[in-house]
Amino acid sequence: SAVISQKPSRDICQRGTSLTIQCQVDSQVTMMFWYRQQPGQSLTLIATANQGSEATYESGFVIDKFPISRPNLTFSTLTVSNMSPEDSSIYLCSVITGVQETQYFGPGTRLLVL
Amino acid sequence: AQSVTQPDIHITVSEGASLELRCNYSYGATPYLFWYVQSPGQGLQLLLKYFSGDTLVQGIKGFEAEFKRSQSSFNLRKPSVHWSDAAEYFCAVGPPYNTDKLIFGTGTRLQVFP
Repeated sequence: SAVISQKPSRDICQRGTSLTIQCQVDSQVTMMFWYRQQPGQSLTLIATANQGSEATYESGFVIDKFPISRPNLTFSTLTVSNMSPEDSSIYLCSVITGVQETQYFGPGTRLLVL
Repeated sequence: AQSVTQPDIHITVSEGASLELRCNYSYGATPYLFWYVQSPGQGLQLLLKYFSGDTLVQGIKGFEAEFKRSQSSFNLRKPSVHWSDAAEYFCAVGPPYNTDKLIFGTGTRLQVFP
């Protein structure tokens, strides 16, 4: 398994501002992902964070709104840009590690946009 | 279309009672199957997973799940529920050998009464 930490754990932001969320893993991993969990909903994959290249975004998510960095194999950031109240969600990073191809999740960042 | 259905949005049980959470999936082939738990204010924790072999899999915290191919189901069970099991439970499926594309169910919220 992997130990994953996220910063901040929660934040309250004003609309129109941006927030950058950090994800740190205790070991090198090839694959890192960012998910959104809207209130009362399940998880939706935002993008795959690729080391050394641009992130791969899922349908409905764009780089201008959710820019992602992956400078090395243990760290990634997700920025939520020009926020609106609809962006209020839990944002989780996850990694695939180990031989058995299992995703492990971070504790999440709880974002409230006013 | 690929999908995961958790028919029960909310389940309430008494402490010490048995528990079964249902999960049905629609998938082209036999997928990899997962159960995750999300405690209040926490991220997702992997409870158990099925890749192949014995269709009854054991997980952490006394949980088990049974894969039934004929019913396309992967129900989660626990013989005696503890108050600390109160949480949201998510079933997820993914393609074999490529679990970056997990599909999550909408979750079942478990409430435990003393």
